[in-house]
Amino acid sequence: QKEVEQNSGPLSVPEGAIASLNCTYSDRGSQSFFWYRQYSGKSPELIMSIYSNGDKEDGRFTAQLNKASQYVSLLIRDSQPSDSATYLCALFTGNQFYFGTGTSLTVIP
Amino acid sequence: GAVVSQHPSRVICKSGTSVKIECRSLDFQATTMFWYRQFPKKSLMLMATSNEGSKATYEQGVEKDKFLINHASLTLSTLTVTSAHPEDSSFYICSAQGQGAHQETQYFGPGTRLLVL
Repeated sequence: QKEVEQNSGPLSVPEGAIASLNCTYSDRGSQSFFWYRQYSGKSPELIMSIYSNGDKEDGRFTAQLNKASQYVSLLIRDSQPSDSATYLCALFTGNQFYFGTGTSLTVIP
Repeated sequence: GAVVSQHPSRVICKSGTSVKIECRSLDFQATTMFWYRQFPKKSLMLMATSNEGSKATYEQGVEKDKFLINHASLTLSTLTVTSAHPEDSSFYICSAQGQGAHQETQYFGPGTRLLVL
């Protein structure tokens, strides 16, 4: 079982809709969780970090963490074509980082 | 936010030559730096983890004599691709894990695109 699992997609949503990206993880001791955005041909960019259960909002982005169910999600409200990218879920166990393989999101104008 | 730079951003070299890529954390001290490689439309592949002042830890299948990593200071790590061949052509990305407020996060550099002819 992989440490971090993501649906590779592709996920397509119309402009203005909510995009929902999900991630599950296996290590219950994981402490910190991150979402990175990677545009084609570019390096990953950190967009959200979350450390405790519940929701964390930053602009159009909301990260949700549920440690009991071992999942973390990213919601993108009012999706824009510029949000089209691959989104990487990552976590830090306290010793090691693990990355998911990424979910490709396409926002259709 | 924390800033990581890489140099060069793009390099083209002849087969058999060596190429050095620099990774710098500009506004924080990085206890650990990571080197990744990414082929087109593929996932990030961790190559090695380096800690300042000690030898790098390489992932299985990565040749340590071919990919030389030096982490001489808390702000600089270098990756040298020795005797590069066309199959080494790829997008090389470094990241840095900081201290204090940055210790649980990896910040990525912009990447170096290597083309070996």
